Amino acid sequence: AQSVTQLGSHVSVSEGALVLLRCNYSSSVPPYLFWYVQYPNQGLQLLLKYTSAATLVKGINGFEAEFKKSETSFHLTKPSAHMSDAAEYFCAVTKNGGSQGNLIFGKGTKLSVKP
Amino acid sequence: GAVVSQHPSRVICKSGTSVKIECRSLDFQATTMFWYRQFPKQSLMLMATSNEGSKATYEQGVEKDKFLINHASLTLSTLTVTSAHPEDSSFYICSAPGLGETQYFGPGTRLLVL
Repeated sequence: AQSVTQLGSHVSVSEGALVLLRCNYSSSVPPYLFWYVQYPNQGLQLLLKYTSAATLVKGINGFEAEFKKSETSFHLTKPSAHMSDAAEYFCAVTKNGGSQGNLIFGKGTKLSVKP
Repeated sequence: GAVVSQHPSRVICKSGTSVKIECRSLDFQATTMFWYRQFPKQSLMLMATSNEGSKATYEQGVEKDKFLINHASLTLSTLTVTSAHPEDSSFYICSAPGLGETQYFGPGTRLLVL
């Protein structure tokens, strides 16, 4: 069965600092992995996705993530944090291992950005 | 890009009443839609898969008689919370699969049952 673990429920960085949000997955089949961002009282917006092509995936707003099979990880990074990046971030894997279908979400990491 | 809407965005109801939440794909068709529930400060939990033209598929532990799902057309799925109770208060989010292995999420509906 597929699962996702996000290490750290809350991460705080200074504006301009590196952002690193950790995600580890468990999957019995080749996984399709996603990072979503949620702003307060809003739905989820896709940041980026890994679908078995390039292991380094670039997304919107300067975010990127690297798929590391040996470490079963898909950590999200951004070189320089901006105040507008403050939000909740969710890592997800497709439930049935396919490219579509419903998603299994991690518990989320709340990112705070200090001025 | 593809857009998914939900209506209403917020609803307050009395205990024992039923509430209907609509999920629409605005510029694409979706034979399948997904309903999630998000408790405060927690992750999204899949409740059910809505299938156009057939019965919904519910996740383990979700009461199908309490959470009625109807996929009326290729652009509309509805979730009805029947005989709502305070413990049903939550943030309900729907999604629909679009092109390119992407799920498009609605903005969510916040339900408060008094």
